[in-house]
Amino acid sequence: DQQVKQNSPSLSVQEGRISILNCDYTNSMFDYFLWYKKYPAEGPTFLISISSIKDKNEDGRFTVFLNKSAKHLSLHIVPSQPGDSAVYFCAARADSSYKLIFGSGTRLLVRP
Amino acid sequence: DSGVTQTPKHLITATGQRVTLRCSPRSGDLSVYWYQQSLDQGLQFLIQYYNGEERAKGNILERFSAQQFPDLHSELNLSSLELGDSALYFCASDVTGTGSEQYFGPGTRLTVT
Repeated sequence: DQQVKQNSPSLSVQEGRISILNCDYTNSMFDYFLWYKKYPAEGPTFLISISSIKDKNEDGRFTVFLNKSAKHLSLHIVPSQPGDSAVYFCAARADSSYKLIFGSGTRLLVRP
Repeated sequence: DSGVTQTPKHLITATGQRVTLRCSPRSGDLSVYWYQQSLDQGLQFLIQYYNGEERAKGNILERFSAQQFPDLHSELNLSSLELGDSALYFCASDVTGTGSEQYFGPGTRLTVT
């Protein structure tokens, strides 16, 4: 039972354009959501997070949007840069638990 | 560099064997988490320790065990290894142990032949 789903295994965008990565979840008890970026041969790196009491959080070129009613979150990267090419994982945590539930990842390719 | 170290980087062993993976958390972090990533899958949470005590458990097999030592480093022991145990094993740490903003090590790639 996948509680966190990233339905697009890959995404390709042109440098300078917007990248939108999507994530859906099923557990209404999730109260905190995170995005991680992973390069080959490295561990995931924390990117940005959002609490369920917010619907948007911004950090430089990265913005995460949360739609609780739709149980959907998205990561926007504007403008996209070739160095953003990586696998992006969304993760969720329930307040009653200390563990993160990860999606299967979306591989982003930013073309020069 | 996240500050989390994992050894070894690579491990190749045979079915039925036992291995130990080691993790040192970031300086000051009290909590350690272990994850398994198989073949382009998401990370599966295995177990969490906070200041030496087990705090949360995920889908960890009975053949697997872990512990966190007084100096806060952690070891993940995998025994009676099967081909399906081949995966990347990541360790992460954070200060509060609440599961947010974890810092990940580079991982140990385990290959069981």
